[in-house]
Amino acid sequence: NAGVTQTPKFQVLKTGQSMTLQCAQDMNHEYMSWYRQDPGMGLRLIHYSVGAGITDQGEVPNGYNVSRSTTEDFPLRLLSAAPSQTSVYFCASSYSTSSGYGYTFGSGTRLTVV
Amino acid sequence: ELKVEQNPLFLSMQEGKNYTIYCNYSTTSDRLYWYRQDPGKSLESLFVLLSNGAVKQEGRLMASLDTKARLSTLHITAAVHDLSATYFCAVDILGNQFYFGTGTSLTVIP
Repeated sequence: NAGVTQTPKFQVLKTGQSMTLQCAQDMNHEYMSWYRQDPGMGLRLIHYSVGAGITDQGEVPNGYNVSRSTTEDFPLRLLSAAPSQTSVYFCASSYSTSSGYGYTFGSGTRLTVV
Repeated sequence: ELKVEQNPLFLSMQEGKNYTIYCNYSTTSDRLYWYRQDPGKSLESLFVLLSNGAVKQEGRLMASLDTKARLSTLHITAAVHDLSATYFCAVDILGNQFYFGTGTSLTVIP
């Protein structure tokens, strides 16, 4: 059981380039989300999805697009990379239970925009 | 604007000592989560607190929740080096969206 798989683990982009961060989960979780982690700021929600075909914006959505065509995959697209998007990106999947929400995080993608 | 604030941001403590990390949040929520993150690693779930007065303990860590005060604490008892990490609290406001605190970087000194 792989859990949440993120690729790539590291990436360097030039300003203005576009790229897609991949996220896949094999736990049949209905919810998926993307966070970015910056020093001193904790994790901030970029976009989230409550099911295939349904996405919504989080705290810091500007410059990012998402789609969810299947339950398993939730890619994050950077349309025109900027140095301010240098960060560590985490994908998470979650499910609701009577004990709250069970969250599983991926291992992260470290992105540098030069 | 929802805010989740942790203090202290940095904590250096000697082995064997006790200390408490505080997590304040600015809106009503009955669910509070604590995570641990080691350098360069992902987040590991520590505790899920689901109601006012909830208390959970695992080893040298104990977490509590006061929803009326909008405050959660993470108490460390007799710290050991293996507890060195960054600790995050997170509030679950809208179901499956987490709002994280800024994190507390803990260093336990032998």
